[in-house]
Amino acid sequence: GEKVEQHESTLSVREGDSAVINCTYTDTASSYFPWYKQEAGKSLHFVIDIRSNVDRKQSQRLIVLLDKKAKRFSLHITATQPEDSAIYFCAASPLASSSFSKLVFGQGTSLSVVP
Amino acid sequence: NSKVIQTPRYLVKGQGQKAKMRCIPEKGHPVVFWYQQNKNNEFKFLINFQNQEVLQQIDMTEKRFSAECPSNSPCSLEIQSSEAGDSALYLCASSLRQGRYTGQLYFGEGSKLTVL
Repeated sequence: GEKVEQHESTLSVREGDSAVINCTYTDTASSYFPWYKQEAGKSLHFVIDIRSNVDRKQSQRLIVLLDKKAKRFSLHITATQPEDSAIYFCAASPLASSSFSKLVFGQGTSLSVVP
Repeated sequence: NSKVIQTPRYLVKGQGQKAKMRCIPEKGHPVVFWYQQNKNNEFKFLINFQNQEVLQQIDMTEKRFSAECPSNSPCSLEIQSSEAGDSALYLCASSLRQGRYTGQLYFGEGSKLTVL
């Protein structure tokens, strides 16, 4: 089955700099790639997603890049702020032959934004 | 604040005891997932439902876990005989149907199970 690897377990950046979190996946059938954020003691919140029909998506300070050949996708957070500090999880899901495929999550990257 | 409501937030059980968790999905969301998040932040998919029907579940779920999403009642996940390895955060998530895609998941705060 699908495996998702999240390459950075921890990441520390200075406020205002950019942060990049990288993920790779194994299943070429995966076609949906969301990112979730988990703050300390809280639940996961959706951040941004990308589908395999595009290779770039931006929402305000967040950019997601998808390289299908390399089976790699990344989250870029520009102009980081202290409130961006959290654990970020990438995930992948195949376009299901049946509906409602489950998400396979990476191991998480703990991002610290230092003032 | 999460609109997916999970109860209880914390539960402590002895080995062999039953553990039951409940989830009220976001209003209008027909799809419900249960995930287990361990202390290493590894997620394990357990089961998902569309309305009252099970869509997918893993072997572990079939053997010691039971889950249901009855009409007009909270969804529930029950571990029949808890084991130490079941200690984890159990996350419920709901989703709108978006064609063949699951779409964005909305997570609850989770139920943290500790098995002594």
